[in-house]
Amino acid sequence: SQTIHQWPATLVQPVGSPLSLECTVEGTSNPNLYWYRQAAGRGLQLLFYSVGIGQISSEVPQNLSASRPQDRQFILSSKKLLLSDSGFYLCAWSLPPTGRYEQYFGPGTRLTVT
Amino acid sequence: GENVEQHPSTLSVQEGDSAVIKCTYSDSASNYFPWYKQELGKRPQLIIDIRSNVGEKKDQRIAVTLNKTAKHFSLHITETQPEDSAVYFCAASKGGQGFSFIFGKGTRLLVKP
Repeated sequence: SQTIHQWPATLVQPVGSPLSLECTVEGTSNPNLYWYRQAAGRGLQLLFYSVGIGQISSEVPQNLSASRPQDRQFILSSKKLLLSDSGFYLCAWSLPPTGRYEQYFGPGTRLTVT
Repeated sequence: GENVEQHPSTLSVQEGDSAVIKCTYSDSASNYFPWYKQELGKRPQLIIDIRSNVGEKKDQRIAVTLNKTAKHFSLHITETQPEDSAVYFCAASKGGQGFSFIFGKGTRLLVKP
């Protein structure tokens, strides 16, 4: 069965510092991968998605970037964090486009920018 | 742009009663509509979904209905239990590809024992 991991689980970073969040998926090949952000008490905002190695689509222009260096690894980065980057960051995966659209979320990283 | 409206934002019911959460979407090309349950501090969990070629789907105490003409879909929970208390999110696929979802803002459901 498939498993999705995210780390770290929690992170406190000062404004202006860099960020790197990692997500890995086990048990499937060539998954679609997604990064979402959830602000406190709010809904889910899709930030990036990827359908393959090196293929990144950005949904919202912002201070963040994403990379997919390996088939089952997805990284969210920032060069300089802003206060507004605080939130709950969720990685998700879905099967390759074969008509299966279900997305499954990882445990998330809670980021606080101080 | 594409949008998903979800109502109500909060819902309080007595244990054993039914709960209904409604969503409307704007993208006529949307063809997949999942519902997620999120408990406090946890990840969203997929609880049920429906595709545009189906009008209703049921799984034990939960059901989802879809009205494509009116562009709205609803989650129905019967015989609610305290463990149903959580935030529920609806979503609609953006266009017909299924990669990208637009989420509603969530409904906080409280089931009082």
